[in-house]
Amino acid sequence: SQQGEEDPQALSIQEGENATMNCSYKTSINNLQWYRQNSGRGLVHLILIRSNEREKHSGRLRVTLDTSKKSSSLLITASRAADTASYFCATGSYNNNDMRFGAGTRLTVKP
Amino acid sequence: KAGVTQTPRYLIKTRGQQVTLSCSPISGHRSVSWYQQTPGQGLQFLFEYFSETQRNKGNFPGRFSGRQFSNSRSEMNVSTLELGDSALYLCASSLAGRGTETQYFGPGTRLLVL
Repeated sequence: SQQGEEDPQALSIQEGENATMNCSYKTSINNLQWYRQNSGRGLVHLILIRSNEREKHSGRLRVTLDTSKKSSSLLITASRAADTASYFCATGSYNNNDMRFGAGTRLTVKP
Repeated sequence: KAGVTQTPRYLIKTRGQQVTLSCSPISGHRSVSWYQQTPGQGLQFLFEYFSETQRNKGNFPGRFSGRQFSNSRSEMNVSTLELGDSALYLCASSLAGRGTETQYFGPGTRLLVL
């Protein structure tokens, strides 16, 4: 069963704009990860943020985590057409070594 | 380092047949997890193997089974295929396990059941 819920389900923006995707979850976690999937292919890991961290950056990506609200956001700055993909959040728990994916946000960046 | 590889990449089967999919993890990774991805259900966890032992299992019928070999390569088998088994099957590997760290995914095997 899925735990994370991404919001919005779909997002369409112009090249150069910023894209923000949100993820909410229900149970306590040890880490939260964001993955990207290009159409019909495998997932690519983007960033992992641990429960004791609040913000993390990687290139044009910025991830925040608010454990009190059980939510995370992924910001992609200065988007490019190549960023067009589906983005998934996944919550990890050391307890029974569990990891659950959300339904994903479909991002379209128009050139 | 070579990435996670999956074979075959595409497969067409008919109802009632069985299928075996293979996954070779990144060298040194002992955990291999399998997922089923469909448009309607999203990414669903099938099972995880660690050092040849099944460590976790998702909510799938017994027709779905797997195993892991001593070199960490893993196979999953689906018997008595149904139309609803058509999906992208992804495997992912990691050093210690799927809940603790980054998982590295293979390109997937796309299965079509007719």
